[in-house]
Amino acid sequence: DAKTTQPPSMDCAEGRAANLPCNHSTISGNEYVYWYRQIHSQGPQYIIHGLKNNETNEMASLIITEDRKSSTLILPHATLRDTAVYYCIVKDSGYALNFGKGTSLLVTP
Amino acid sequence: NAGVMQNPRHLVRRRGQEARLRCSPMKGHSHVYWYRQLPEEGLKFMVYLQKENIIDESGMPKERFSAEFPKEGPSILRIQQVVRGDSAAYFCASSKGTENTEAFFGQGTRLTVV
Repeated sequence: DAKTTQPPSMDCAEGRAANLPCNHSTISGNEYVYWYRQIHSQGPQYIIHGLKNNETNEMASLIITEDRKSSTLILPHATLRDTAVYYCIVKDSGYALNFGKGTSLLVTP
Repeated sequence: NAGVMQNPRHLVRRRGQEARLRCSPMKGHSHVYWYRQLPEEGLKFMVYLQKENIIDESGMPKERFSAEFPKEGPSILRIQQVVRGDSAAYFCASSKGTENTEAFFGQGTRLTVV
């Protein structure tokens, strides 16, 4: 079973920041937080991951709370092509990614 | 550097036939994962392999399904005696390792059993 809780759906206006929350209150010290997305029926796309520090790359920023019990994925300027299902996954080394239901993000014009 | 390559992209099999799905990991990646996505459902982990070894097959159906990742060549997911319920998208992912490393996915094989 997935160890994370995400809202089932969210809307965001094009050009605005999309903030996708994730709760992982039972995360252990060795587990990383990963974010993936799946656009329509394509293969999942890696976005970002982190352990306890905030991370940023060309796609997004990942903000992890100090107690590590929750995190937020930020897409700074959402476009229509960011419409997808976003998955927050906690994973320890030696294990595979375990996808939950994710958040369906709809970016509107 | 090519991404994860899966073939075929689409596969049609009649009930009772065998389906072979191939996955070539990214260069330098020795860990391979297979997932299945049934229509309108989420991604379900099936099996995790490292070169010549099955590490975790907790998501594999007990019968008819098998996977291998030989020393040379692609990883193969084999489904024997396919049934209509096997119709799904099968995705493969690969990674360099498992700690602090991302896995990259292929575009999947869409299996249709008729």
